[in-house]
Amino acid sequence: KNQVEQSPQSLIILEGKNCTLQCNYTVSPFSNLRWYKQDTGRGPVSLTIMTFSENTKSNGRYTATLDADTKQSSLHITASQLSDSASYICVVTVNAGNNRKLIWGLGTSLGVNP
Amino acid sequence: DAGVTQSPTHLIKTRGQQVTLRCSPKSGHDTVSWYQQALGQGPQFIFQYYEEEERQRGNFPDRFSGHQFPNYSSELNVNALLLGDSALYLCASSLDNFYEQYFGPGTRLTVT
Repeated sequence: KNQVEQSPQSLIILEGKNCTLQCNYTVSPFSNLRWYKQDTGRGPVSLTIMTFSENTKSNGRYTATLDADTKQSSLHITASQLSDSASYICVVTVNAGNNRKLIWGLGTSLGVNP
Repeated sequence: DAGVTQSPTHLIKTRGQQVTLRCSPKSGHDTVSWYQQALGQGPQFIFQYYEEEERQRGNFPDRFSGHQFPNYSSELNVNALLLGDSALYLCASSLDNFYEQYFGPGTRLTVT
């Protein structure tokens, strides 16, 4: 069964600290993996997208890693800011013949406190 | 370059009524996908439109229907609204089948 699991479910850190969010997936055949940031009540915003051959990608203070062998991904946030408070969602794309299908994780809720 | 836009921002309907939500894709995109996101949950895929036809559909009843126009904009229609239809409805556009989707701000639907 295609699944995406994220941990932790929620996390609170102090402003300026770093944190790492985890995503494990059991998806086949794999197409790509992306991380989204979603503010409450708003649409998700893409942070990174990685294909099978990529093992790291950065977007400012966000760095995503991908280990296709262990089927794990992480999102590292450095020097956190109050505006980083949001839900971070891992999404894996499955190649299903002529169509692709997205498998969504439930997200990690991050709170950054001053 | 306008991103994905959705209208209205939010609306309130009564159980049993019908609603139409609208989405304009990002410039240059030809594929529109619709999602339902209940409070505290992840987005659930409703369906995807490409070349004015429904290409894929998630596990949603026939009360949920859609349309794509020649200019690639799209509508989501929900008939016989239920209380459980209350959610944030997200529209996402892409140039290809799900690759690099861009999401709109969403429409918050409340059914009373």
